Amino acid sequence: GESVGLHLPTLSVQEGDNSIINCAYSNSASDYFIWYKQESGKGPQFIIDIRSNMDKRQGQRVTVLLNKTVKHLSLQIAATQPGDSAVYFCAESYDYKLSFGAGTTVTVRA
Amino acid sequence: KAGVTQTPRYLIKTRGQQVTLSCSPISGHRSVSWYQQTPGQGLQFLFEYFSETQRNKGNFPGRFSGRQFSNSRSEMNVSTLELGDSALYLCASRPGTSGSYEQYFGPGTRLTVT
Repeated sequence: GESVGLHLPTLSVQEGDNSIINCAYSNSASDYFIWYKQESGKGPQFIIDIRSNMDKRQGQRVTVLLNKTVKHLSLQIAATQPGDSAVYFCAESYDYKLSFGAGTTVTVRA
Repeated sequence: KAGVTQTPRYLIKTRGQQVTLSCSPISGHRSVSWYQQTPGQGLQFLFEYFSETQRNKGNFPGRFSGRQFSNSRSEMNVSTLELGDSALYLCASRPGTSGSYEQYFGPGTRLTVT
């Protein structure tokens, strides 16, 4: 079926280091991918997106990489800060329906 | 612009009851989607409404229904509540026009069924 999964449920990162969060997706027909951040008690917050005709997109301190050959998506956060501690979800879209992965909890160590 | 708002924020119901949750999208957004979030199943898509019509539906039983009004506000209803319906219900809005996928989520309604 259509599903998106993250490789690691948790990630601990030293403040100032770069973080890499990985995600595998299963539907090769998905045409749009998004990363969301969810802090405790809040709804998911859009971070960055990428269309299937691209392989890299950069935002402020974040970069998303898409490898369609192996159906892999990653989110790189540069110079991780305490405020980056949250649960990160990848999502894939097909026919305007979003399927979310299970999430990776990122904890930033001071 | 004001963000997506959801009411109520917290709700406690008993099995067998029904519940209605409300979502007000960002002004100008015509699409509203609903999601259920649980620790076990994660975020699951319920349905999407656009211009008062259901445009997409996830794999949930018919006890879950929704509607959208002419001002784009949306409600979802769950009838005959079960313990397993306890979850955070999130709605998200987006412009809804072609080429625009970015969704903005509300804070959610925490439903507890006892």
